[in-house]
Amino acid sequence: SAVISQKPSRDICQRGTSLTIQCQVDSQVTMMFWYRQQPGQSLTLIATANQGSEATYESGFVIDKFPISRPNLTFSTLTVSNMSPEDSSIYLCSVPGGSGTTDTQYFGPGTRLTVL
Amino acid sequence: AQSVAQPEDQVNVAEGNPLTVKCTYSVSGNPYLFWYVQYPNRGLQFLLKYITGDNLVKGSYGFEAEFNKSQTSFHLKKPSALVSDSALYFCAVRDISNYQLIWGAGTKLIIKP
Repeated sequence: SAVISQKPSRDICQRGTSLTIQCQVDSQVTMMFWYRQQPGQSLTLIATANQGSEATYESGFVIDKFPISRPNLTFSTLTVSNMSPEDSSIYLCSVPGGSGTTDTQYFGPGTRLTVL
Repeated sequence: AQSVAQPEDQVNVAEGNPLTVKCTYSVSGNPYLFWYVQYPNRGLQFLLKYITGDNLVKGSYGFEAEFNKSQTSFHLKKPSALVSDSALYFCAVRDISNYQLIWGAGTKLIIKP
């Protein structure tokens, strides 16, 4: 299994500012996923970040609002830009345990963001 | 389209009693099914998965899940609930066309002493 850490674990930010969330994995992985979990809700996939290529964003999410970097096979960042209170959520990074469709997906502890 | 349904927003169980958290799915082809748990202020932890083989899958923390193809269900069970099992539980199915997990809405499990 993969061990994933995220920084910061939580933050309180003012509207209009930006926050960059870091995700570090203890092994090399091709794919990394970024999810948003709004309070009391299920997970929504923001984007898939493959090393060496542009991130692929899901419907409703755009690169200008959620730019992602993937400089190497163990690290990624997600920036939440020009924040509003609606961006208050838990942001989770996730990696697959292998390359097959039957592999387990592992999650970081999450970053709890509150926007005032 | 593939989907997952968790029909109960919340399940309340007395400590020591058996618990069931329900999940039904809709997929084309073979289903790859997963259960995850989220404790308060924590990330998601993998509990168990069904890929193929025995319909009863055993996982972490004494949980098990029963795959029922005819009812398209994958209910999570535990014979004797603990207060520490109180958490949010998510069922998911793999979309093999793009590798993504399709998530249920989640079920809040409350175990009362």
